[in-house]
Amino acid sequence: AQTVTQSQPEMSVQEAETVTLSCTYDTSENNYYLFWYKQPPSRQMILVIRQEAYKQQNATENRFSVNFQKAAKSFSLKISDSQLGDTAMYFCAFMKQSVAGANNLFFGTGTRLTVIP
Amino acid sequence: TAGITQAPTSQILAAGRSMTLRCTQDMRHNAMYWYRQDLGLGLRLIHYSNTAGTTGKGEVPDGYSVSRANTDDFPLTLASAVPSQTSVYFCASRRDYNYNEQFFGPGTRLTVL
Repeated sequence: AQTVTQSQPEMSVQEAETVTLSCTYDTSENNYYLFWYKQPPSRQMILVIRQEAYKQQNATENRFSVNFQKAAKSFSLKISDSQLGDTAMYFCAFMKQSVAGANNLFFGTGTRLTVIP
Repeated sequence: TAGITQAPTSQILAAGRSMTLRCTQDMRHNAMYWYRQDLGLGLRLIHYSNTAGTTGKGEVPDGYSVSRANTDDFPLTLASAVPSQTSVYFCASRRDYNYNEQFFGPGTRLTVL
């Protein structure tokens, strides 16, 4: 079974500063995907960024980037130039790549990020 | 495009009663999922369906059933609700195994008293 661990239940950052959210995972799979989802107070789950395990290059999406360390099974999210709208719960998630089975997301327990004006 | 819709938005249910949470997607995605979100536990898979006519059990299936009569709809039924089923329920979909992104509905908050 896959497990995803987010060891920071809560974090805060000053507006315009940079913050890094940590995530580690455990799997015996070689082909998989990793994701960061954002859940604002509206409750909607929003995909922030994704990483394919076979790609060595770290994914970036505007102010969001990841540090993917496959050997260490680590997948951290860096948010640059933090904005008030970044205040949300952030979930790290894992999905194995398979032609059969559930192919569902395994989620961590989340990190609540507050951006301080 | 509406994406995924869920109904109701929220519901209070007496223990022992039955209820069906509705989920409809208009993206013609093959795979659909039901997750529950509990404080401190993240989201966990209840049931899934890789294509119309097939379903499978997830991590926490007990007390729930699903059906997939067509591509668009994936209802979740609680036959006899218990307080431990108080949670926020999310429906999600994915095009097929060649595509890794899952799209989520807005969720249903269910309280069982």
